[in-house]
Amino acid sequence: DVKVTQSSRYLVKRTGEKVFLECVQDMDHENMFWYRQDPGLGLRLIYFSYDVKMKEKGDIPEGYSVSREKKERFSLILESASTNQTSMYLCASSLTPYEQYFGPGTRLTVT
Amino acid sequence: TQLLEQSPQFLSIQEGENLTVYCNSSSVFSSLQWYRQEPGEGPVLLVTVVTGGEVKKLKRLTFQFGDARKDSSLHITAAQPGDTGLYLCAGTGAGSYQLTFGKGTKLSVIP
Repeated sequence: DVKVTQSSRYLVKRTGEKVFLECVQDMDHENMFWYRQDPGLGLRLIYFSYDVKMKEKGDIPEGYSVSREKKERFSLILESASTNQTSMYLCASSLTPYEQYFGPGTRLTVT
Repeated sequence: TQLLEQSPQFLSIQEGENLTVYCNSSSVFSSLQWYRQEPGEGPVLLVTVVTGGEVKKLKRLTFQFGDARKDSSLHITAAQPGDTGLYLCAGTGAGSYQLTFGKGTKLSVIP
């Protein structure tokens, strides 16, 4: 079974802090994704990566950056957290152009 | 921009009833996936359909991809409380690694 793990299930940070969200997958997948999920807005793609050190902007990249130094690890960085970044953050990986496998999510609260 | 509309948004039914949820678009998708998400967890992939007219069955769940590959449906027979969750459809365009998600159908099955 594919396993995607995220470093924290719940996180509380203060406005202006730098926040790192880590994601690790164990299936040697080329593609990794970061989404945020908000009520009424669904899942929105922040960034994705189709290879080590490669990254592409998704639909809502503003205020975020990513890092992929190793194939199995994809990090999402909030350079200066703001209250409007309070959300559920979901990481996913895939081998094919579809069939993404999701981690359990990190519920981030910025106060 | 490809959009997927799901209906209904909310569905509350009694255990043992049948139900159908719909996923519609004006765009053609090369594949379509259905996911189920439980509160506080990441989405879990249920099925992928890739051929127009394709029907797949997963125990009491039946998935259909429209002939024109613009729509899909999920039918649940004899719903059980364990079916409760958010059902998401997601599609990929030709040659794309990005999923377009619908906003989901929140199903509650009352014992």
